[in-house]
Amino acid sequence: EPEVTQTPSHQVTQMGQEVILRCVPISNHLYFYWYRQILGQKVEFLVSFYNNEISEKSEIFDDQFSVERPDGSNFTLKIRSTKLEDSAMYFCASSEVGLSQPQHFGDGTRLSIL
Amino acid sequence: DQQVKQNSPSLSVQEGRISILNCDYTNSMFDYFLWYKKYPAEGPTFLISISSIKDKNEDGRFTVFLNKSAKHLSLHIVPSQPGDSAVYFCAAFDRGSTLGRLYFGRGTQLTVWP
Repeated sequence: EPEVTQTPSHQVTQMGQEVILRCVPISNHLYFYWYRQILGQKVEFLVSFYNNEISEKSEIFDDQFSVERPDGSNFTLKIRSTKLEDSAMYFCASSEVGLSQPQHFGDGTRLSIL
Repeated sequence: DQQVKQNSPSLSVQEGRISILNCDYTNSMFDYFLWYKKYPAEGPTFLISISSIKDKNEDGRFTVFLNKSAKHLSLHIVPSQPGDSAVYFCAAFDRGSTLGRLYFGRGTQLTVWP
């Protein structure tokens, strides 16, 4: 069964450094998403992406965050200058066209900011 | 953000019995609801969904019930199996205003014992 793939599984970075989290969505999916889950808290929406542009972003997704689909298969989340509070699990998801299509999630990247 | 609530952090059920997981929501604009299952070190896995035009959706051992007037949904697993032991997340979104921003509950840890 096709799946969403995320790399790396764990990223450790010094505060203030830039990180790029990578995702390969399911190949025929056209909607892409990033979520995060801080330890002990809910899974929270960050951003949705369709047709090579951001469709919606949450209040968490401030200027230090950006997303990109650099080629036909990858979808990346960049955090420009990481803060301690960016430590979380980051999940990528994708879905087919259609508002009733479920989102399928990757296994996440655990980001640890030191 | 308390738009989706799962008030039971844990549930323990004997193998073969029914598991009932509950979820409440506050936003009356939500019109699509999903249940995800999550094992440790993995991402959420889609289980079953329901549109607000229905009050029941069934898929094998899993049935989701929706009570719109009470803003309540539940997931029934019959019969429960030890492999069902996982964290179950309820999620919802408003298809009229978003491409797919999911709002998640905190999750319920289901333990099925032999």
